[in-house]
Amino acid sequence: AQSVAQPEDQVNVAEGNPLTVKCTYSVSGNPYLFWYVQYPNRGLQFLLKYITGDNLVKGSYGFEAEFNKSQTSFHLKKPSALVSDSALYFCAVRGYGNNRLAFGKGNQVVVIP
Amino acid sequence: DVKVTQSSRYLVKRTGEKVFLECVQDMDHENMFWYRQDPGLGLRLIYFSYDVKMKEKGDIPEGYSVSREKKERFSLILESASTNQTSMYLCASISGLVAESTDTQYFGPGTRLTVL
Repeated sequence: AQSVAQPEDQVNVAEGNPLTVKCTYSVSGNPYLFWYVQYPNRGLQFLLKYITGDNLVKGSYGFEAEFNKSQTSFHLKKPSALVSDSALYFCAVRGYGNNRLAFGKGNQVVVIP
Repeated sequence: DVKVTQSSRYLVKRTGEKVFLECVQDMDHENMFWYRQDPGLGLRLIYFSYDVKMKEKGDIPEGYSVSREKKERFSLILESASTNQTSMYLCASISGLVAESTDTQYFGPGTRLTVL
């Protein structure tokens, strides 16, 4: 079985401060990891993914994530948060050979002006 | 850019009605998915299809069926809608053999269904 844990329901951060959204996963074999963002009443938009190679992955809108195999984590980060980053963030994992994604419950990020 | 469209953004139906949710993708993707999204539960897979007329149950298929008669179109059917099916429904697609693909799933804008 594969699963994702996003331990915090909501993350509050002041504008300009670093933003971190946590994700840990469980999967058999090599993981394919993804982050998506959802703005109100919209579908999910792809941010970035880790497949193989460099553990630090850079994505859209200044976001990056670090794959840590020993801690089975894939935390999303942004050095300086914007008010427009306020949204719902989903982490997802798929093990190689598995034909479906497992999503976390999502993290609401609130960036305070 | 990949485009996944869903027939309705908002839908209100009555208990017992038959409901059709339509999804169309324009990138010739083999695989299409239906999820429902509920607060605190994330996205849960209802059904997916890996080819025309082929389907596989997801984690929560009860009360739903699907149809894929053409490659670009994947329909979700609620045979007899119930209030506990009030939710946001998201369609997605991806190319290639899903189990080996390094591609990402592309999502539609969602349909917010309310069953009264």
